[in-house]
Amino acid sequence: QKEVEQNSGPLSVPEGAIASLNCTYSDRGSQSFFWYRQYSGKSPELIMSIYSNGDKEDGRFTAQLNKASQYVSLLIRDSQPSDSATYLCALSSLSGGSYIPTFGRGTSLIVHP
Amino acid sequence: GAGVSQSPSNKVTEKGKDVELRCDPISGHTALYWYRQSLGQGLEFLIYFQGNSAPDKSGLPSDRFSAERTGGSVSTLTIQRTQQEDSAVYLCASSPDAGGTDTQYFGPGTRLTVL
Repeated sequence: QKEVEQNSGPLSVPEGAIASLNCTYSDRGSQSFFWYRQYSGKSPELIMSIYSNGDKEDGRFTAQLNKASQYVSLLIRDSQPSDSATYLCALSSLSGGSYIPTFGRGTSLIVHP
Repeated sequence: GAGVSQSPSNKVTEKGKDVELRCDPISGHTALYWYRQSLGQGLEFLIYFQGNSAPDKSGLPSDRFSAERTGGSVSTLTIQRTQQEDSAVYLCASSPDAGGTDTQYFGPGTRLTVL
């Protein structure tokens, strides 16, 4: 059974700080990794995708992947109250010829002014 | 352009009734996924369609759940003899292909309440 583990939080950070969201996974065969943001009552939307070890930066967001440690993280710099949401870690693994997605339960982030 | 649409947005039904949930993916997207999200929980994968291939049904929780995709576009998720534990938000997502590297675009969801 593929597992994606996230701390449910809430993670509370002050406005302007760096928020660090972490995710571990069990399937070493996982190939693609995603961070989705989900506002309360809304659908998930993609923030970042990462496929190879290292860092990937996009604006205020940086995704970090370490396949040896089976660990993926999301850093949000200069956090804003509008970043307050649940962040879902997801991965895609080849299973029986299909790329089946697995999502974590999400980490709730609260950015307070 | 239009995103993924789902209907109805809300559905209240009585235990034991059948329900049909509809998903209209983004035009041209070959991959379509159904998920279930219970309150405070993550997304539970249900079923996956890729083009004209046989769907991957490995996530369906019981044989009361079924789905079809007509003409490689619109999909319908059917839940027969609904139970209270089926109450959740059902999300549909589509993706340009099924290589596992593409973004999934989610619809607004259908909130199902089984009384």
